[in-house]
Amino acid sequence: DSGVTQTPKHLITATGQRVTLRCSPRSGDLSVYWYQQSLDQGLQFLIQYYNGEERAKGNILERFSAQQFPDLHSELNLSSLELGDSALYFCASSVDGQAGEKLFFGSGTQLSVL
Amino acid sequence: GDSVTQMEGPVTLSEEAFLTINCTYTATGYPSLFWYVQYPGEGLQLLLKATKADDKGSNKGFEATYRKETTSFHLEKGSVQVSDSAVYFCALSIPSGTYKYIFGTGTRLKVLA
Repeated sequence: DSGVTQTPKHLITATGQRVTLRCSPRSGDLSVYWYQQSLDQGLQFLIQYYNGEERAKGNILERFSAQQFPDLHSELNLSSLELGDSALYFCASSVDGQAGEKLFFGSGTQLSVL
Repeated sequence: GDSVTQMEGPVTLSEEAFLTINCTYTATGYPSLFWYVQYPGEGLQLLLKATKADDKGSNKGFEATYRKETTSFHLEKGSVQVSDSAVYFCALSIPSGTYKYIFGTGTRLKVLA
């Protein structure tokens, strides 16, 4: 058990809808990362937060947004969903968000857009 | 831009065979390098890491050496087991203004008894 909790584990929705994925980092970790894993594109970095502030942004679509709350949990909001958004979404956390740190991954949220 | 390239999978080996999974990288600055492993139905977990040139990371019989001259970080194991069947990801992180952690596409390993 990595100590990172993601909910829900599975999510099935329709095109055009909006969903929220939730992540609770490991106790004491200040940085949260979001990744999208799909069969054809591997693990794509979306966004990183550190202590409530956005630190780095990757290939995150404008339809997607995220935030990290004062209690350090994070939410990833996906809107106007398309079939191509179906993927496994991972959250990871680390202590300080510095290079060289180990990431602890949650078990992911499997999103299916029908 | 910064990137990681891994060999295509799946890699299928018999138990006790020697394993090599190739990984090369492109990066500005001085990255830290990692190998993560993903078992079925689970998230990724760190297998080993190296933070500077010529460092060797090792864990559970797996090894990888940070080669700056060839920009490589190949994963090796002398004798694989069925329980090593998983997807292996090479990754790098760079301390820059747009610091991020970049993963390769993953290499699936199947070990047959």
